[in-house]
Amino acid sequence: DTGVSQDPRHKITKRGQNVTFRCDPISEHNRLYWYRQTLGQGPEFLTYFQNEAQLEKSRLLSDRFSAERPKGSFSTLEIQRTEQGDSAMYLCASSSTVAGANVLTFGAGSRLTVL
Amino acid sequence: TQLLEQSPQFLSIQEGENLTVYCNSSSVFSSLQWYRQEPGEGPVLLVTVVTGGEVKKLKRLTFQFGDARKDSSLHITAAQPGDTGLYLCAGEYNYGQNFVFGPGTRLSVLP
Repeated sequence: DTGVSQDPRHKITKRGQNVTFRCDPISEHNRLYWYRQTLGQGPEFLTYFQNEAQLEKSRLLSDRFSAERPKGSFSTLEIQRTEQGDSAMYLCASSSTVAGANVLTFGAGSRLTVL
Repeated sequence: TQLLEQSPQFLSIQEGENLTVYCNSSSVFSSLQWYRQEPGEGPVLLVTVVTGGEVKKLKRLTFQFGDARKDSSLHITAAQPGDTGLYLCAGEYNYGQNFVFGPGTRLSVLP
């Protein structure tokens, strides 16, 4: 069971630097989601893909954020010119159908700290 | 905009006590899921409820979906320290294309 893998698990960077996170979903899952979670809060939706197509983006996803899923397999989330407010856990999930409902399988997350 | 509220936000109880946490919305969802998250890890699915009024049991955990599919509850019987964690509810909408999460209930079970 390969599960959903995220890399890196932790990233510390200085304000203004660019960072990129990678997500490898469960291979047979077509949908891939990115969420952001700050301390004490639930995950906030950022964007999702159906295969390689990016179907929805949250207003939270400013111009500094870009996500890709070039071949419908792994995905990357890039943050340009990081700000301290970008510090959060970035969660990736892929979805499957269980008992007639779509459910999410999450990776362990990539924690970003912007100094 | 779909929003989910959870209550209470924090709960600290002694081992062996019972508790109920609630998840409420003004929106109707295709399904509702409960996840548990431990520090530094991603959420892990506990259960999915799909039909209004549905009740599901998972050992000492009982989940109920409201008749109108707008709310849900999670009841834990005889809580144990291993139940400690952040409990998140998530509603599926837009024909399963997206999910909205509540802010979570942080449960601490003291031995």
